[in-house]
Amino acid sequence: DQQVKQNSPSLSVQEGRISILNCDYTNSMFDYFLWYKKYPAEGPTFLISISSIKDKNEDGRFTVFLNKSAKHLSLHIVPSQPGDSAVYFCAAKDLYSGGYQKVTFGTGTKLQVIP
Amino acid sequence: KAGVTQTPRYLIKTRGQQVTLSCSPISGHRSVSWYQQTPGQGLQFLFEYFSETQRNKGNFPGRFSGRQFSNSRSEMNVSTLELGDSALYLCASSPQGDVLDTQYFGPGTRLTVL
Repeated sequence: DQQVKQNSPSLSVQEGRISILNCDYTNSMFDYFLWYKKYPAEGPTFLISISSIKDKNEDGRFTVFLNKSAKHLSLHIVPSQPGDSAVYFCAAKDLYSGGYQKVTFGTGTKLQVIP
Repeated sequence: KAGVTQTPRYLIKTRGQQVTLSCSPISGHRSVSWYQQTPGQGLQFLFEYFSETQRNKGNFPGRFSGRQFSNSRSEMNVSTLELGDSALYLCASSPQGDVLDTQYFGPGTRLTVL
């Protein structure tokens, strides 16, 4: 049962435009959400996170939006750059279950930014 | 600081064999987690170790096991390998393994089971 879903396996965007990556979750106990970026032959690297008490978190060109009622989050990259081409994983945690570092990941969206 | 290192980077085994993968966390990090990445399933949590104790376990069969040493280095073992165990195995470390700690991932070990 996939509790974190990324329904778009891939996305192509022109350089300078906005990239929007989407993620849905089914477990209502999740209260902390993260995005990771992964280049080939490297491990995922943390990008940005958001707590369920917020609906938006911004870090430079990256903004994550959370819609708890819809159980949906999205990552916006503005402007998109060729170096942003990577696989992006959405992930979620239940902070109060004693899960510590247990993170539930989505299946990933491969972003290609075209120069 | 050196990052998380994993050895070996690539491994080919045959069905029925067993395999041991190694992970050295960032110096000073005490929590080590293991994940399996496959194309259709994304990253799936295997287990987490903290201070040589398994703190959490994912939904994997008992063929998957692990341990952590006093220097925080960790190993995971898969016995009686099956074709479906072919995957990228990722290790991640964090300072205290607190819920809000950032995890730092290694490059992974690519296991192919023939």
